[in-house]
Amino acid sequence: EDQVTQSPEALRLQEGESSSLNCSYTVSGLRGLFWYRQDPGKGPEFLFTLYSAGEEKEKERLKATLTKKESFLHITAPKPEDSATYLCAPFPAGGFKTIFGAGTRLFVKA
Amino acid sequence: GAGVSQSPSNKVTEKGKDVELRCDPISGHTALYWYRQSLGQGLEFLIYFQGNSAPDKSGLPSDRFSAERTGGSVSTLTIQRTQQEDSAVYLCASSSMSSGANVLTFGAGSRLTVL
Repeated sequence: EDQVTQSPEALRLQEGESSSLNCSYTVSGLRGLFWYRQDPGKGPEFLFTLYSAGEEKEKERLKATLTKKESFLHITAPKPEDSATYLCAPFPAGGFKTIFGAGTRLFVKA
Repeated sequence: GAGVSQSPSNKVTEKGKDVELRCDPISGHTALYWYRQSLGQGLEFLIYFQGNSAPDKSGLPSDRFSAERTGGSVSTLTIQRTQQEDSAVYLCASSSMSSGANVLTFGAGSRLTVL
């Protein structure tokens, strides 16, 4: 059975304190992985797509990396506006059933 | 439209009543998805449409749940004889598959509360 686990469940940082979020998964026929951001009361918003081990994508203070079994979302010098829930979502080759992890709730305090 | 539109944004109903949730996807997007998100939980896959057909209904929790899509556009998720455990945010997403990666664009969701 396909599984996605995100850790930690919640993370509290001070502004400027860098950290990383983890996504580990077991997905048959994996093609790639998405990262999404979700703000309270809103739908998830697309951040990155990663396809192969060793690949990295960056956007502002966020950098996503991928290995064969895990993905990391690194947050460098976060700001309060980075506070949100971050979801990872592996997707299979040729399929359409994207599986979402439960997310990591990030709180950044000024 | 510019984005995925869902209605109603909030729905409060009594146990045993039927509810309909509507999703209007981005124009031209052929794929449409329904997910359910319970409080503090991740997204639970319900159903996927390619055009008007639903090749994957595996996530529908029970036969009280049904969905249809007409004209390759608007979709309706119907929950019959609602139960309190149906309370959740129902998210709709659409995608074009044009890039080869199935990037989903989500609506803001319909929050359902069953009393």
